[in-house]
Amino acid sequence: GAVVSQHPSWVICKSGTSVKIECRSLDFQATTMFWYRQFPKQSLMLMATSNEGSKATYEQGVEKDKFLINHASLTLSTLTVTSAHPEDSSFYICSAPPMKGGNEQFFGPGTRLTVL
Amino acid sequence: AQSVTQLDSQVPVFEEAPVELRCNYSSSVSVYLFWYVQYPNQGLQLLLKYLSGSTLVKGINGFEAEFNKSQTSFHLRKPSVHISDTAEYFCAVSGTNRDDKIIFGKGTRLHILP
Repeated sequence: GAVVSQHPSWVICKSGTSVKIECRSLDFQATTMFWYRQFPKQSLMLMATSNEGSKATYEQGVEKDKFLINHASLTLSTLTVTSAHPEDSSFYICSAPPMKGGNEQFFGPGTRLTVL
Repeated sequence: AQSVTQLDSQVPVFEEAPVELRCNYSSSVSVYLFWYVQYPNQGLQLLLKYLSGSTLVKGINGFEAEFNKSQTSFHLRKPSVHISDTAEYFCAVSGTNRDDKIIFGKGTRLHILP
């Protein structure tokens, strides 16, 4: 199956700093990528839809100025958590449906963010 | 818009016993349905999916699920569980367009008892 990678796999940062998380489709292209957040012992909540070449679409209640999304190419989307605070500590997961092929979305392994 | 309800937050079951994890969905349009498994501190793994065709879908690790349109359900079953099946299981739904977002249920934690 297709592979989606995320980098870093985990990150610890100080409160007030910004953190960038990358999501890459390794062997396929994707015009759309999705970003999810998962708090401990909870489900995945969709944060935003990343669109190559255009602005991301954010879900209700997600601050677009805090969670900056850039879909720079057909294989890369980045999520930047700006001025991170402890309540932003979470597991961030991306997914991508290939432009060509079936309708399955492929999920990255996730990035665990801890803000001290 | 779609939504998913997983009726049980936790399901304890003895090893080698059968298990059913329940999932109901709501949608005004045609849907695709999925079951994912998440082992502790890991990402998601697709167990199985229903896109069209046969309503009985077989997946990995001996799991299967049945799509019931009239009851808007997609329950997951396994005839005999193993200790290694201990994990969180998520039912999910999406529209049928390639770029439709996937909506997840709250998850069911499967506890395998020795």
